[in-house]
Amino acid sequence: DTEVTQTPKHLVMGMTNKKSLKCEQHMGHRAMYWYKQKAKKPPELMFVYSYEKLSINESVPSRFSPECPNSSLLNLHLHALQPEDSALYLCASSHHSGSTPTDTQYFGPGTRLTVL
Amino acid sequence: RKEVEQDPGPFNVPEGATVAFNCTYSNSASQSFFWYRQDCRKEPKLLMSVYSSGNEDGRFTAQLNRASQYISLLIRDSKLSDSATYLCVVRPSGGYQKVTFGTGTKLQVIP
Repeated sequence: DTEVTQTPKHLVMGMTNKKSLKCEQHMGHRAMYWYKQKAKKPPELMFVYSYEKLSINESVPSRFSPECPNSSLLNLHLHALQPEDSALYLCASSHHSGSTPTDTQYFGPGTRLTVL
Repeated sequence: RKEVEQDPGPFNVPEGATVAFNCTYSNSASQSFFWYRQDCRKEPKLLMSVYSSGNEDGRFTAQLNRASQYISLLIRDSKLSDSATYLCVVRPSGGYQKVTFGTGTKLQVIP
């Protein structure tokens, strides 16, 4: 089973709101990722967690705050977003977390975020 | 030169046709390669991994040419359900957590 789940599916928020995106996997994967994808563009990496520790932050603005409570869960806390942050936010997970070149990422269905 | 380049298409092909996409990469030390398909407004789904010279899965064949630094995806007997964007993904040497996505090739299979 290569299932990654994400909630909510859709989210509309104002620029002053605080919200969180959630991601869960039960495949025993030790790496989890957040990507942002705009229309007609490829996914852009935001953060990588490896063994529950933040290992990569691609210079993401602080209004995005990731959290990895345990090896199965990944959250993305959102605060004071801008309309240009509207996008599809994808979570992914992989097994080996940087130890092998064949490590494969599996994506969740995404959260479609609209910032008004 | 972009790290990973793909022809954006669209490739419009009739049902039953054979279609091939190429993806070129700039880092000669790249370690592994993947093809994902992405339907409109959905997540990327792994189609095939390409670790050596290539591999085949049913109607899909992926090949790797390290000398010329490209991978290809061949789809035989195209189905309407093959209509999607095909993303080429390359993992560079070292730092195995990061991968580089191509911009994708759009395929439209026509009845």
